[in-house]
Amino acid sequence: DIQMTQSPSSVSASVGDRVTITCRASQGISSWLAWYQQKAGKAPKLLIYSISTLQSGVPSRFSGSGSGTDFTLTISNLQPEDFATYFCQQAHSFPLTFGGGTKVEIK
Amino acid sequence: QVQLVESGGGVVQPGTSLRLSCAASGFTFSTYTMYWIRQAPGKGLEWVASISYDGIYKYYADSVRDRFTISRDNSKNTLYLQMNSLRAEDTAVHYCAKALLVGATGAFDIWGQGTMLTVSS
Repeated sequence: DIQMTQSPSSVSASVGDRVTITCRASQGISSWLAWYQQKAGKAPKLLIYSISTLQSGVPSRFSGSGSGTDFTLTISNLQPEDFATYFCQQAHSFPLTFGGGTKVEIK
Repeated sequence: QVQLVESGGGVVQPGTSLRLSCAASGFTFSTYTMYWIRQAPGKGLEWVASISYDGIYKYYADSVRDRFTISRDNSKNTLYLQMNSLRAEDTAVHYCAKALLVGATGAFDIWGQGTMLTVSS
């Protein structure tokens, strides 16, 4: 199974900050990497797929990068609505697996 | 609009069975791989099962294999998850989700609102 290790598990930031979340796969996953945002009591929302492709309707302050086993989600100019938990996910092979999540909290 | 609506959750005793349903609308259901994903209270996301667009290929997490069965009825635009021999550790919000791309496994672009399953004596 491919393990997805996300860090940090939580981060405190202020509106306007730049936040970076990393995700490391236990083996190469090519471009099969997606990022989701989840707010309390809600279903996750797809933000980015194929490492860096922004899902329709997602603000451009969200961006993804990386290759091989190391990937990054960056939120530039953090907005109040961005305080949430973020998960990475690999779709390279079954079982499909998620990172443990990163909670972005208000400083 | 594109929508998934789950139903069938509830409170059940260990060892019993339950079937979840997921009604799809707003897209051509029969062309997309579909998924069940769950989230235990306060925990992360766990992929449970996948089914190909035609229902032929099915994949399961080790934690549910031989207990859960994923199926679909493309004539009814509905996805199912038959859950047998339920355990306390199956307690979670169960989401159905749609594949982003036609005929492919990958990211999940549409999620239902989730249905809560509680397994407790």
